[in-house]
Amino acid sequence: RKEVEQDPGPFNVPEGATVAFNCTYSNSASQSFFWYRQDCRKEPKLLMSVYSSGNEDGRFTAQLNRASQYISLLIRDSKLSDSATYLCVVNGGSTLGRLYFGRGTQLTVWP
Amino acid sequence: NAGVMQNPRHLVRRRGQEARLRCSPMKGHSHVYWYRQLPEEGLKFMVYLQKENIIDESGMPKERFSAEFPKEGPSILRIQQVVRGDSAAYFCASSPKGGQLKSYEQYFGPGTRLTVT
Repeated sequence: RKEVEQDPGPFNVPEGATVAFNCTYSNSASQSFFWYRQDCRKEPKLLMSVYSSGNEDGRFTAQLNRASQYISLLIRDSKLSDSATYLCVVNGGSTLGRLYFGRGTQLTVWP
Repeated sequence: NAGVMQNPRHLVRRRGQEARLRCSPMKGHSHVYWYRQLPEEGLKFMVYLQKENIIDESGMPKERFSAEFPKEGPSILRIQQVVRGDSAAYFCASSPKGGQLKSYEQYFGPGTRLTVT
């Protein structure tokens, strides 16, 4: 079983739409959870860190359910600039520095 | 801009040559991580280093790959006798000193794209 699993998409939504991405992880000892975005052929950029049950940053809301080992990212009022691949990332548990990346969910926002 | 710096951005090597990839962490960061992204795949952890110390190298291939983060200068990922399967994007990330969970947020450099011909 993979450490982190995501729906690969693609998700194609109009501007202004609300879109949600889901992710599950296998290591119950994981302590840190992140969402990164990656544009084509660029480096991953940290979007949000999730340390408690969830947090909100503007149009973005991340939620964590430790019992179900499930993380979600909600994007409200989608913008064209939100088009990217969204990576669900989880730390390795015993080694805080080791991150496991999902393969990403591709989002395209159209005008 | 004190972001993570990597060089070279693109590197072409023939099979059997050596590749050296360099990474300078963000100012104030003392932890460095290397990841590899194969075409159409997710990022895979390779190694985690602090100055003069390898913390976790469980993601490194057993042969031909090595990494260091000396007291002075950038971190180096070295690949000896490269093969076509080594062609990938190699990303370096850095984080502040460890301790609190937030200290392990990792910030990535632009990557080095290695092509083995």
